Amino acid sequence: GPKVLQIPSHQIIDMGQMVTLNCDPVSNHLYFYWYKQILGQQMEFLVNFYNGKVMEKSKLFKDQFSVERPDGSYFTLKIQPTALEDSAVYFCASSLDGGWGQNTLYFGAGTRLSVL
Amino acid sequence: GDSVTQTEGQVTVSESKSLIINCTYSATSIGYPNLFWYVRYPGEGLQLLLKVITAGQKGSSRGFEATYNKEATSFHLQKASVQESDSAVYYCALSTHDTNAYKVIFGKGTHLHVLP
Repeated sequence: GPKVLQIPSHQIIDMGQMVTLNCDPVSNHLYFYWYKQILGQQMEFLVNFYNGKVMEKSKLFKDQFSVERPDGSYFTLKIQPTALEDSAVYFCASSLDGGWGQNTLYFGAGTRLSVL
Repeated sequence: GDSVTQTEGQVTVSESKSLIINCTYSATSIGYPNLFWYVRYPGEGLQLLLKVITAGQKGSSRGFEATYNKEATSFHLQKASVQESDSAVYYCALSTHDTNAYKVIFGKGTHLHVLP
């Protein structure tokens, strides 16, 4: 089936530094998402993105977070500066349409971010 | 707010035995939510197993099935005879229509371990 690729699979970074997580979504998809999962907890919605704009974000999407997809390339999540509580696995997803219930989200395998 | 509850963090079943993974939900938005089961096999991204968007209906895939029970607000996942290859993490999820953009809310996941 369609694949979402996330690069890298694991990123280790010092607190206060900037990190960019990359996602290569399914090629014809138009809606993009980031989810965050802290070890032992549930996967939580961060943000969704369409047509170059953030459509909705949760309270977990702090001011230090930003997303973009310049010129149809990677869909990125940038954290600047990072904090210890940002350590988690971040999952990217994409869908063909944003219409509720009729579309399947396709997920990547996740990027494990470790902030030291 | 909307939520999904999976009471078992881990379930261990012997091969060829039956399986049930419990899921209940709470949705406060207008209308009934859409319900999903996603699965993550080791080293892979989350993938959709089945979905049901109409209350009272049953969804099925790969021998798994789940019935949308709006009275009990449940969506339990069942399989009559599990295989070792079914070992994975299973996530119950819902989507609602209370926002302008589509998002999915996940349970904590249930790790299924099938013994040979």
